[in-house]
Amino acid sequence: QQQVKQSPQSLIVQKGGISIINCAYENTAFDYFPWYQQFPGKGPALLIAIRPDVSEKKEGRFTISFNKSAKQFSLHIMDSQPGDSATYFCASSYFNKFYFGSGTKLNVKP
Amino acid sequence: DAGVTQSPTHLIKTRGQQVTLRCSPISGHKSVSWYQQVLGQGPQFIFQYYEKEERGRGNFPDRFSARQFPNYSSELNVNALLLGDSALYLCASSLGGYSNQPQHFGDGTRLSIL
Repeated sequence: QQQVKQSPQSLIVQKGGISIINCAYENTAFDYFPWYQQFPGKGPALLIAIRPDVSEKKEGRFTISFNKSAKQFSLHIMDSQPGDSATYFCASSYFNKFYFGSGTKLNVKP
Repeated sequence: DAGVTQSPTHLIKTRGQQVTLRCSPISGHKSVSWYQQVLGQGPQFIFQYYEKEERGRGNFPDRFSARQFPNYSSELNVNALLLGDSALYLCASSLGGYSNQPQHFGDGTRLSIL
């Protein structure tokens, strides 16, 4: 059973636009929800993370929106830039177990 | 400050062999986690270690084992290699042993099985 479902699989956005990636989780015991950015040949880099007692967190151009009742959370990238083109992963964790989504390949067109 | 370092960066093995991968965490971090990332997929959790003790384990066979040393570095061992073990193996470190803390990843070891 897939614990974290991520969509879309790929996304094309024009420079300056908003990129939105969604994740849904199954287990209500999850207590930490990070987003990672991965470039080819590199390991995932932590972008931003949220805990379930908060509905939104913003860091620079990146915002996480968290809906506990719907068991969903999303990443918004404002003013998307070509340098943001990468694969993005959502993740969830609890009791020392970690689950990643399947990834979203973002392409920001100049 | 140095980030998470992994060695080797690339490795080629044949079926049935054994392999050991190494990881050095960020200075001050006491927890290390291991992940397997197959091409085109998200990382899959294998183990978490904190203060030399196993704190969490994913759904991987007993052919996979790990340990953590007093200096908090870690090794991942895989025995009886299968073609399906070909993947990028990632190590992540965090300050403490709880799962609700930020994890910082290395760039991984690319393991190819022939």
